[in-house]
Amino acid sequence: AQSVTQLGSHVSVSEGALVLLRCNYSSSVPPYLFWYVQYPNQGLQLLLKYTTGATLVKGINGFEAEFKKSETSFHLTKPSAHMSDAAEYFCAVSEGNNDMRFGAGTRLTVKP
Amino acid sequence: DTAVSQTPKYLVTQMGNDKSIKCEQNLGHDTMYWYKQDSKKFLKIMFSYNNKELIINETVPNRFSPKSPDKAHLNLHINSLELGDSAVYFCASSQLQGAGGYTFGSGTRLTVV
Repeated sequence: AQSVTQLGSHVSVSEGALVLLRCNYSSSVPPYLFWYVQYPNQGLQLLLKYTTGATLVKGINGFEAEFKKSETSFHLTKPSAHMSDAAEYFCAVSEGNNDMRFGAGTRLTVKP
Repeated sequence: DTAVSQTPKYLVTQMGNDKSIKCEQNLGHDTMYWYKQDSKKFLKIMFSYNNKELIINETVPNRFSPKSPDKAHLNLHINSLELGDSAVYFCASSQLQGAGGYTFGSGTRLTVV
């Protein structure tokens, strides 16, 4: 079955600094890959997704991620962090079978 | 209009009680899910229904029983609640076998005392 590993349960950056959240996946077929964001006491919101085609995908709030098959990675980046980016971020993988598996999450803290 | 709505938002109950959580989606999606998020934020799939048929049933105690009266609704009934059932339960829905991603509800925080 597919699985996801998120490296770093907690990442702290300064406002204006680069955000890099790491995600590696395991899948027996070409995967669908996703990043979700969860703000306190809220549900999960889709940030971006990769299904097929262009390997660099852009999402909401200035985030983007690159699918690298050779590295089985799908890292999330943002050039300049804002205070409002502080949240929990989840990487997820699906094999297109209505069975999405999530990583353990990375808490992003943004320092003023 | 809320796309995926869950009720109640908070649920506090005593051990041994039976409770239900309701979920409805107005997106016309054909698949619905229940996820459990524990205190460490880990998300684990519990059940998945496609057009009212159960397609995923993870290793979940049989005290948990999902029911889907139609493809827009997926309810979760829990019997004989235990302390370890305390968590946030999320309902979600999708189309196209999930290729477009899932839409999540805002969650139900269940506290068993």
